[in-house]
Parts: sequence; structure tokens; C-alpha cells
Amino acid sequence: DTAVSQTPKYLVTQMGNDKSIKCEQNLGHDTMYWYKQDSKKFLKIMFSYNNKELIINETVPNRFSPKSPDKAHLNLHINSLELGDSAVYFCASSLTSESGYTFGSGTRLTVV
Amino acid sequence: AQSVTQPDIHITVSEGASLELRCNYSYGATPYLFWYVQSPGQGLQLLLKYFSGDTLVQGIKGFEAEFKRSQSSFNLRKPSVHWSDAAEYFCAVARFSGGYNKLIFGAGTRLAVHP
Repeated sequence: DTAVSQTPKYLVTQMGNDKSIKCEQNLGHDTMYWYKQDSKKFLKIMFSYNNKELIINETVPNRFSPKSPDKAHLNLHINSLELGDSAVYFCASSLTSESGYTFGSGTRLTVV
Repeated sequence: AQSVTQPDIHITVSEGASLELRCNYSYGATPYLFWYVQSPGQGLQLLLKYFSGDTLVQGIKGFEAEFKRSQSSFNLRKPSVHWSDAAEYFCAVARFSGGYNKLIFGAGTRLAVHP
């Protein structure tokens, strides 16, 4: 019944590795997002897709590559992980501008 | 550029006391405004939203917020706080670009509740 689900919930990996985070929503929303929350709880948008098309691409290192195979899924692949990538990554989806976003429970990424 | 300021990083109240969390925004047009709550280890949950109409909006869990254009504020209030309200609260404004929107979040206010 989970509306926006992310996997994995926790991810611990070494510097230089490549990892992926998956997100799925069953709400029928057209737009999905990735946000990064740093250690001070600050939330910053990274990417947004509308019906599989990239519509927002903030200033994010090109080591980060989102992929949306269909409008219900938005995955985030990260190459050559760095210590500074450690954060909580949230996936979200929305139906309209007025509806607000529905967030997943987050993926805590720790790079050691 | 649109931005959101939450002046209080940390607030502590006693259970049963009233609560007001401040939020100021900068935006040229009528903003779409939101309040979210994040419990420890959890995602963000939408408490309430405003984009037009009545400036006093009611949300879930007994929260309300009032939009004041003259003060560029959208403060969150609750008349009587419960211990379970202890969490991080985020104010957000929707920024529109190219027909799409993205939420810009404030830095958050951490609420602690004393028994």
C-alpha cells in the first residue's frame, strides 16, 4: 500500500563505488523528483521527471544520473561515490502544482 | 529568486502549550505554500497547503497556518501541542519554471516537546 517506496533504506559503501537507488510510486502521478537532505537537514532538489521526460536538472555533478523507465519509476545512479555524497536521498511524486508532493521514506547513503 | 526563511532553528515547548512556527517567503506572485513534518528517520508528510482563497488553512493533526501577504509570512500554529508533535518542520514554496514547479524548502525548525 506504500505510495512512494524507495530501496534500499540504508546503503553503506566505499568511496569510488557505483550504486543505485530505486523509487516507485503507485499513485498515478506524472511527476517524480529526487531531493538530497544533508546532515543539517537542508533539502535540495536534484532532478525531476514528468512522464519519463527530464524537466528539472539542478546543478548536480554528472556522476549522478537519473533514469525513468516509466512514469511510475525514477531511479538514481551514482558513479564514483565520494564522501560528500553521504546524505539522505528522498524520492517524491506529485499530481499537480497545487497538490504538493508525496515523499518516500528516504535512503540513507553513507560513503566510507 | 524565490526563497523560504524559517528564523527559528530549534523551539522547545511544554506539552499542552500553544505553538507557532514562523515562515517567511520571497516570491513575486501569489505563492503556493506548504508545511511538511518529518519525524525522526521518516520521510516528509504534508501538513497543509495554501495557494488561493481563505488565508487561514486547516491541516492534519490539528495544525493550521495563516497566509499574510503584507508580511510575506505563512506561520504554522497549533493550540495545544502533544508530545508526538516533536519533529522537524519544513516550510516550502513552489517555484515555477517552464510550466513545471519545484518545491524550495526552508532550513527547517526542530520542535522539542517537554512533558
